[in-house]
Amino acid sequence: DTAVSQTPKYLVTQMGNDKSIKCEQNLGHDTMYWYKQDSKKFLKIMFSYNNKELIINETVPNRFSPKSPDKAHLNLHINSLELGDSAVYFCASSQDIPGGAEAFFGQGTRLTVV
Amino acid sequence: SQQGEEDPQALSIQEGENATMNCSYKTSINNLQWYRQNSGRGLVHLILIRSNEREKHSGRLRVTLDTSKKSSSLLITASRAADTASYFCAMGFNTNAGKSTFGDGTTLTVKP
Repeated sequence: DTAVSQTPKYLVTQMGNDKSIKCEQNLGHDTMYWYKQDSKKFLKIMFSYNNKELIINETVPNRFSPKSPDKAHLNLHINSLELGDSAVYFCASSQDIPGGAEAFFGQGTRLTVV
Repeated sequence: SQQGEEDPQALSIQEGENATMNCSYKTSINNLQWYRQNSGRGLVHLILIRSNEREKHSGRLRVTLDTSKKSSSLLITASRAADTASYFCAMGFNTNAGKSTFGDGTTLTVKP
């Protein structure tokens, strides 16, 4: 069974459209994240949710809105897509324990805005 | 910036050789993790080392951490073609590793 799964794997859409990416984890983790990986492979955290509550919101355009209906799901909705939004978006989850814990990543969603 | 820097950016070796990648960071950390990313895939966690640890092993992997120099290294011994991937270090500045800040990565190519 896939630990962290996100859909779709590929997404090609036109500028100005609104799209969503879904993420689910079956690991029972408390915390989920969205990362963006650009064409140079640089990974940057966008959002972090702990038990459905937003705890990290990096400098991300407000066109990006995360939604966590329960602690196993964290979806990412993007409004008015722009060319610069093209990237690979990764969902991840981890257990919240002192000293830190490994993060489990989904396979990524490659978003191409044309 | 809390971002980590990795060195080298790219590394090409022959199968059987050892590969060493380095990671440096700027501020104090709780932990440091190493991840592997195969082309077109997600990241896979390799090793987490906490700030009070100096060395950890996992199979052919050895990670060291020098908090006085704010640096870490990942050594892959007896490399295989299947080790070809990008390797990222991630600095955990909080209790939760997922909030980590990632380095720019080292692209390793192991030639058969």
